[in-house]
Amino acid sequence: DIQMTQSPSSLSASVGDRVTITCRASQGISYYLAWYQQKPGKVPKLLIYAASNLQSGVPSRFSGSGSGTDFTLTISSLQPEDVATYYCQKYNIAPLFGQGTRLEIK
Amino acid sequence: QVQLVESGGGVVQPGRSLRLSCAASGFTFSSYSMFWVRQGPGKGLEWVSLISYDGSNKYYADSVKGRFTISRDNSKNTLSLQMNSLRTEDTAVYYCASPAVGFLDWLYLDHWGQGTLVTVSS
Repeated sequence: DIQMTQSPSSLSASVGDRVTITCRASQGISYYLAWYQQKPGKVPKLLIYAASNLQSGVPSRFSGSGSGTDFTLTISSLQPEDVATYYCQKYNIAPLFGQGTRLEIK
Repeated sequence: QVQLVESGGGVVQPGRSLRLSCAASGFTFSSYSMFWVRQGPGKGLEWVSLISYDGSNKYYADSVKGRFTISRDNSKNTLSLQMNSLRTEDTAVYYCASPAVGFLDWLYLDHWGQGTLVTVSS
């Protein structure tokens, strides 16, 4: 079975910092990778699909890259409203989420 | 706009059954596959089940296979999840969700309901 591993599991950064979260698949998944943001007490929100496509309405400071097994979510300039847990998801057969990365403001 | 409203959650004893429903509106329900995703208390997201737009294909996570049954009524814009032989580890918020593009089974999810809490406890 394919495993999805996110790192780090948590991080703390300052407003304005560039933040990178990585997601690694144990087998190649081409570009079938999405990123979600879940703010405390809220429903998950789609940020990125097909590894690098920004969902409509999502701020341009969010970007995604990668293909195959290694993927990254980057926030170019961290804002206070970005405090959330971020999940990657492979969405081809048998969808699987990463374990999540909790992002806090330092 | 797209609305997904789950119902049917509650407290149930281990081994018992529960049926969740999701009422959809604001889009052509019959053209989209539909998903159930759950989130245990303080835990991450777990895909549970998927049903194709016409109900012809159904898929389940190994953790619920043989115990849960997904179904849909396209005439009533309703998605359901029949959960039997419930276990304490099934305790979670259950979300129904829809993908961004119609007629495809495996896709990312761009609309989520608010979720319904299922607590399995004696």
